[in-house]
Amino acid sequence: DAMVIQNPRYQVTQFGKPVTLSCSQTLNHNVMYWYQQKSSQAPKLLFHYYDKDFNNEADTPDNFQSRRPNTSFCFLDIRSPGLGDAAMYLCATSRVYSPSYNEQFFGPGTRLTVL
Amino acid sequence: AQTVTQSQPEMSVQEAETVTLSCTYDTSESDYYLFWYKQPPSRQMILVIRQEAYKQQNATENRFSVNFQKAAKSFSLKISDSQLGDAAMYFCAYRSEAIYMRFGAGTRLTVKP
Repeated sequence: DAMVIQNPRYQVTQFGKPVTLSCSQTLNHNVMYWYQQKSSQAPKLLFHYYDKDFNNEADTPDNFQSRRPNTSFCFLDIRSPGLGDAAMYLCATSRVYSPSYNEQFFGPGTRLTVL
Repeated sequence: AQTVTQSQPEMSVQEAETVTLSCTYDTSESDYYLFWYKQPPSRQMILVIRQEAYKQQNATENRFSVNFQKAAKSFSLKISDSQLGDAAMYFCAYRSEAIYMRFGAGTRLTVKP
């Protein structure tokens, strides 16, 4: 089945130690998104890629970076995780940029713990 | 700025009965899309139903339907014949050309057997 896969499902890191979260998709969608979801809160968009074009949300901290080496993969890099970065990180994809094809398909998420 | 408000942090429904989840939004745009997403515990978020703002007819997907009131900026979700598997966090979301996806705070739905 076509799907969005996130690895690992659970990640524990130490305060200040860089960490990378991975997302892959078999849907061949050209847009990929990263969301941060803190406990009992709504997902918050960090950034997205439209093909290789990177789009950062204005309030996303510089501590968060992303890479998309090809259509299938997208990575979220947290350069120096703080305690406040502990959250669920959701990856999503959509087929095209236009809102007329607007359903986003979500992965299961990676729960990040910062010690 | 576009905001999405879900005023019910938690809702409860008896199995087989009907429940309505509320959502209001604020926008000055005329062209946008509205969604309800379901996030079961420890499982991924999935789309329940969507509504294009230019369509007057309310969307329906099996037991799920919406009441879209564009002038009132209201977008409620009705779940009929509730099942235990409907228990989840439900998020209302807004999308437009300028806003890729903005979610409400969510409503946690409990289904009682």
